[in-house]
Amino acid sequence: DAGITQSPRYKITETGRQVTLMCHQTWSHSYMFWYRQDLGHGLRLIYYSAAADITDKGEVPDGYVVSRSKTENFPLTLESATRSQTSVYFCASKAGHTEAFFGQGTRLTVV
Amino acid sequence: SQQGEEDPQALSIQEGENATMNCSYKTSINNLQWYRQNSGRGLVHLILIRSNEREKHSGRLRVTLDTSKKSSSLLITASRAADTASYFCATDSGANSKLTFGKGITLSVRP
Repeated sequence: DAGITQSPRYKITETGRQVTLMCHQTWSHSYMFWYRQDLGHGLRLIYYSAAADITDKGEVPDGYVVSRSKTENFPLTLESATRSQTSVYFCASKAGHTEAFFGQGTRLTVV
Repeated sequence: SQQGEEDPQALSIQEGENATMNCSYKTSINNLQWYRQNSGRGLVHLILIRSNEREKHSGRLRVTLDTSKKSSSLLITASRAADTASYFCATDSGANSKLTFGKGITLSVRP
């Protein structure tokens, strides 16, 4: 199916564990983004990527790692999950200075 | 810190009234975009205005941009109960098309 998909949709993990959130888009968009959404903070940018093998830090990158070996995939890894990383995570992609398309989100709970 | 700041944080109006939402930002931009989010869902793009444009219309939406004041407004005319949602402004900036969001405005339209 065409579009942008995130997996898993829901995840519960324990403090200290590594967890990877997946994002896949079928349009070959150059730009991809990861955000976290928390009450009172809106969407905060974690990392973004302008192309394969090009990534940049956003507003809240600490504790997260990204990679982009293929244009269509942009996984986000929490190296050692903390309770403060409990959030809803959104991935988005866009072709250029254009509109962005969002995935449905991953609700992550760290216990 | 987040690039965009929306105002007001919450807005409650009667069906049929107009809703005006404002956004201020801090740095130079390529374009400014408005998004809508229904509860528990991903964000959906509404309208994009480029830095060299001053006003744009799309259906019941009207967006203005004042780059000298670094501000934008979104007007929804003849609101409907179905317009109840959160609305976010986002700025596209830099050569790498960084897309950053504000904290959002919660709009409630009473039937």
